[in-house]
Amino acid sequence: EIVLTQSPATLSLSPGERATLSCRASQSINRYLAWYQQKPGQAPRLLIYDVSKRATGIPARFSGGGSGADFTLTISSLEPEDFAIYYCQQRSNWPELTFGGGTKVEIK
Amino acid sequence: VRLQESGPGLLKPSQTLSLTCTVSGDSIRGGGYYWSWFRQHPGKGLEWIGYMYEGGSSYRTPSLQSRLSMSVDPSKNEFALKLTSVTAADTAVYYCAADPSHYFRYWGQGTLVTVSS
Repeated sequence: EIVLTQSPATLSLSPGERATLSCRASQSINRYLAWYQQKPGQAPRLLIYDVSKRATGIPARFSGGGSGADFTLTISSLEPEDFAIYYCQQRSNWPELTFGGGTKVEIK
Repeated sequence: VRLQESGPGLLKPSQTLSLTCTVSGDSIRGGGYYWSWFRQHPGKGLEWIGYMYEGGSSYRTPSLQSRLSMSVDPSKNEFALKLTSVTAADTAVYYCAADPSHYFRYWGQGTLVTVSS
């Protein structure tokens, strides 16, 4: 099983600041990584897939990068609606999908 | 594609959990989607349960394989999950989801299933 480790667990920032979230895989997953946003009481929302491709309707302030086993999600300038939990997901060894444990972005 | 889960909110230990996901906006038949299930234990992360695909291919996560069955009903445009012998450890929000790729754009709103005596 490919284990995804997200860090930090919690990120405390103010609106307008830049957020950088990390996702590290236990082995190389090529570019088969996605990021989801989840708000309380809601289903996850796909933000980024294949490391850096934004899903339909996702604002340009969200960007993804990385390769191999180390990946980042960057939110260039936090909007109030961006405070949420973010999960990474790999599909490298489909159908054995796995998710990271999540990073909570909270208002400082 | 819009998805909506339905099923019992409360079960007793050893009972069978049956959930249905009703699909609208596209047809299950020939849609080329992975009709999938996830769950999320209270306050925890996302867990992959498995999928059904047209043509009959499917996958069940190993930890649930012995208790889990999934099906698709094209006549009702629904797909379903059954999990037998539930315990408190199966208490979670269950989501149905779908996508033609191995990432998931379309999700149901989720349904909380509580297992308690």
